[in-house]
Amino acid sequence: DADVTQTPRNRITKTGKRIMLECSQTKGHDRMYWYRQDPGLGLRLIYYSFDVKDINKGEISDGYSVSRQAQAKFSLSLESAIPNQTALYFCATSAPNRVRTSDTQYFGPGTRLTVL
Amino acid sequence: AQSVTQLDSHVSVSEGTPVLLRCNYSSSYSPSLFWYVQHPNKGLQLLLKYTSAATLVKGINGFEAEFKKSETSFHLTKPSAHMSDAAEYFCVVSDGNFNKFYFGSGTKLNVKP
Repeated sequence: DADVTQTPRNRITKTGKRIMLECSQTKGHDRMYWYRQDPGLGLRLIYYSFDVKDINKGEISDGYSVSRQAQAKFSLSLESAIPNQTALYFCATSAPNRVRTSDTQYFGPGTRLTVL
Repeated sequence: AQSVTQLDSHVSVSEGTPVLLRCNYSSSYSPSLFWYVQHPNKGLQLLLKYTSAATLVKGINGFEAEFKKSETSFHLTKPSAHMSDAAEYFCVVSDGNFNKFYFGSGTKLNVKP
């Protein structure tokens, strides 16, 4: 089974609709991230969470909100979807880096969202 | 501030020839650097990482990268391209505490038969 799962994998919705993308992980990691990927722009950070009570905005958080329901679950919501939120969305996890030896991110398979 | 510049958006090589994907970084800290690969319709997979140990880093599938502080570069190389290497590659720099990761815009590698 995959360590980081995302649901749904594909979603088509209409402008103004509320959408929730879900991420679950079995890696036991404290840190979770949401990114969006647009062609030619790489991945941009939307929100990140270091534990259930620690949630932080990334560089493009406007129009998005998140919920960390448990250590293993981190959901991304679009309260009122708009067409320029059409993108590929990735969830990622990483372990806390207390000794600065390594901190690899592990990515889910992505959710392709289309807003019409 | 941290940032990454991938100098080529597309690279095309013939199977069996060397691969060079270029990455320059800017970091306020002693950087940690990563290369990830994304195959079509897949998530991202770590190829290799540099975290202040040896400057020449070996990764999976025959890839390696050399950290050059004087040139602020972390170029990815492979001696002989394989068709299965066709994918998009991302160079990533972390802030000093691995709190956040900054991605380059990606380089698409095409491998011709």
